[in-house]
Formats: sequence, structure tokens, C-alpha cells
Amino acid sequence: EIVLTQSPGTLSLSPGERPTLSCRASQSVSNNYLAWYQQKPGQAPRLLIFGASRRATGIPDRFSGSGSGTDFTLTISRLEPEDFAVYYCQQYGNSPWTFGQGTKVEIK
Amino acid sequence: QVQLQESGPGLVKPSETLSLTCTVSGGSISSSNYYWGWIRQPPGKGLEWIGSMSYDGNTYYNPSLKSRVTISADTSKNQFSLKLSSVTVADAAVYYCARRVELGGSYPFDYWGQGTLVTVSS
Repeated sequence: EIVLTQSPGTLSLSPGERPTLSCRASQSVSNNYLAWYQQKPGQAPRLLIFGASRRATGIPDRFSGSGSGTDFTLTISRLEPEDFAVYYCQQYGNSPWTFGQGTKVEIK
Repeated sequence: QVQLQESGPGLVKPSETLSLTCTVSGGSISSSNYYWGWIRQPPGKGLEWIGSMSYDGNTYYNPSLKSRVTISADTSKNQFSLKLSSVTVADAAVYYCARRVELGGSYPFDYWGQGTLVTVSS
């Protein structure tokens, strides 16, 4: 099973800042099948990025993903108030599909 | 627009079987290339993939739960279901159903239900 480790656990930032979230896999993710989700309290996760760097339909271009193999990054170019949430990475290249433990982006 | 809605008991007794149904609208669960899955999230914790079912009925389970999980479909109702046997308090979670696609490659879950909270208690 591929273990995904996200860092940091929490980011305390102000609107307008540029967070970088990390997701490290315990082994190489097949085909770079790595996704990022955003989850707000009481809501289902929302797909942001798939294939490590491809934005899902309707996702603003301030969200970008990068990386390959075992190291992946989600960057938000400029935090908007609605971006404060928990972010999860997920690999879907190797069964069982696994998720990281999440990074919380909170208002400073 | 595809919509998914979970339903089922919100309270299950320890050692009993948890049964949930996901009703899909805006698309057929039998449509080629679509896969339907269950994911859970204990309160305040992260996400865990439980298992998935393909449009043609093949099933894939997380090995950590495989001995207790069954996913099945009722195409006449455009629904798919989850059964988890011998539940314990560790199975208490919000359970989500979701959809993904395999077409020229694999894709993650793009449509999710709103989730349903299941409590395990006697």
C-alpha cells in the first residue's frame, strides 16, 4: 500500500498569500495518478487536480499542481477567502487507493 | 449533471451489518467507463477508500476491509449499495459514494454524494 504523507499539517496564512502544500508518496505513483481535493466543513471533498497537474472542470487557475514519482505539490497562487479548507492528496495508480492525512489551510 | 445521494440507517449496533445505498441521477450506473465507489471519513479524521464497482459489475475492495465488504448494484433503480459486516465503533464515519471514469486512462472521483453519518452504538 502506498502511504501518502502531507506537510505541513496546518498552514496559518492571510488572504493573498501563496501556500505550497506537499504530498510525498512511500513509493512511486503509477502514471503520476495523483489528485488533490479540497474539503470544507460538512461538505464532501471537491476534486481540484488530477494527473498531478491537470485542473478539474471549473477549478480556478490559481490552483496548480506539480510533481512526479514520489513528490507532489499543490500551490495556490493567491489565497482567496473561500480557499481556507483542508486539502487532501490521493493516489489512484495503485490499489488500494490511498489518501494523505490532509493539510489544513487556516486564516491567520 | 450527475448527482449521487447516500441513504441508510444512521445508527448500527456493534457486530451488525451496515447497509447503505447510493442513488444516482443524471447518468446510468451501467454506462461504459464509469466506476462507482465508497469512501469513508471518521469524524475529524482523513479519508479511506472502501471499494469500487465497475459499470459491468466488477468489484475492487480495500484489502483492509475486504473480508467484511460487499458492493453491489441494482441497475433497475440506478443504485449501488455497500454492506459492511461485523461493525465496531471503529467503523463509525461519514460514508460517501462517488463516481470516477476510466477512459484512455484512470481518473479520480469527480462526483461525490453529500455523505451520510453512521454511528455504531448499542
